[in-house]
Amino acid sequence: ETGVTQTPRHLVMGMTNKKSLKCEQHLGHNAMYWYKQSAKKPLELMFVYNFKEQTENNSVPSRFSPECPNSSHLFLHLHTLQPEDSALYLCASSPGTGATEAFFGQGTRLTVV
Amino acid sequence: SQKIEQNSEALNIQEGKTATLTCNYTNYSPAYLQWYRQDPGRGPVFLLLIRENEKEKRKERLKVTFDTTLKQSLFHITASQPADSATYLCALDVVGDDKIIFGKGTRLHILP
Repeated sequence: ETGVTQTPRHLVMGMTNKKSLKCEQHLGHNAMYWYKQSAKKPLELMFVYNFKEQTENNSVPSRFSPECPNSSHLFLHLHTLQPEDSALYLCASSPGTGATEAFFGQGTRLTVV
Repeated sequence: SQKIEQNSEALNIQEGKTATLTCNYTNYSPAYLQWYRQDPGRGPVFLLLIRENEKEKRKERLKVTFDTTLKQSLFHITASQPADSATYLCALDVVGDDKIIFGKGTRLHILP
């Protein structure tokens, strides 16, 4: 276990649903990230939070909405997704941004039908 | 923009041999470069970080090199074992930005 927990592990949702992904870390890290991993593509950074402030939004569509209520929790709210949004969504944390290793959760396998 | 290329999508190596994976980048040299291991259905796990002023880093059977002239990092696993079979990801920082970017990864199969 890396110390980063993601729930749920699997999610199937319709295109009109609203759902949320949750990420939790108790490593004392200040930076948290959302990544998307699709088949045959590199990990794509979606959002970065540093000390609860969003410092990066990598041109992500507004149907994905992140929330970081405190430095231990990160959410990704999903609304009116498309089938092409089906992917593995990974949360990661690190002590800070910069030259430090990232600790990843197990991911949420999302299927949009 | 910076691009990362990892040598091949899949690599088969005989058990006991040294596996060598390649990571090339196209533009500026990053301040540091990282290697991760990812097993199916799981998140990546950090292995090694090497800084631009370091030529080589070792950890047990793993060795990473960083050549800023060639814009390349090599990742070696010596005395490879079937348990080393996984996807290995190269990642580097984006200068002046709060993020790192990943390559597509190389799927390594160690054949018994």
